[in-house]
Amino acid sequence: ELKVEQNPLFLSMQEGKNYTIYCNYSTTSDRLYWYRQDPGKSLESLFVLLSNGAVKQEGRLMASLDTKARLSTLHITAAVHDLSATYFCAVGGGTSYGKLTFGQGTILTVHP
Amino acid sequence: GAVVSQHPSRVICKSGTSVKIECRSLDFQATTMFWYRQFPKQSLMLMATSNEGSKATYEQGVEKDKFLINHASLTLSTLTVTSAHPEDSSFYICSARHQGTQYFGPGTRLLVL
Repeated sequence: ELKVEQNPLFLSMQEGKNYTIYCNYSTTSDRLYWYRQDPGKSLESLFVLLSNGAVKQEGRLMASLDTKARLSTLHITAAVHDLSATYFCAVGGGTSYGKLTFGQGTILTVHP
Repeated sequence: GAVVSQHPSRVICKSGTSVKIECRSLDFQATTMFWYRQFPKQSLMLMATSNEGSKATYEQGVEKDKFLINHASLTLSTLTVTSAHPEDSSFYICSARHQGTQYFGPGTRLLVL
């Protein structure tokens, strides 16, 4: 059974600081996703990582994937208040085409 | 990008009634759609895989007779919560995969009184 674990589950940051969210998964998979969810809203796609060593960046967020370690990271650079949200990683693909298993989510709060 | 819509966005019903939620892919065809449920402050849990023209595949622990799924066309899947009870109150989100990316609908918030 595929398990996906994120840490930390709660992250309180000051504006301007850097931090990393970690996502570990238990079995091999061909793709890893990062999503953002604002309160009461659905999911917004941030990144899709397809191969070992993949790195993608968008604004203050950068995601990477190490398939050998079964680990993905979401790095936040110089956080701003607008980044406050819940971030989920999800793993899918392979024989389970399209099915995603989600991590628990990381609630990020950025303080002035 | 591709768009997935859901209707209604929120619904309140009495215990014992049935509620239908629609999920549509607006600008692409989806032979497979997925239904997730999210309880407050929790993650998303896959309920079932909806397959166009065939029976849905349910995850372990999900009652197929309670959560009826119909995927009658390449752009529409419906989830019917039958004989709803307060414990079915949740946020239901559908998704469809298009060109390697999963697109999620805006979600339907169900409250059963």
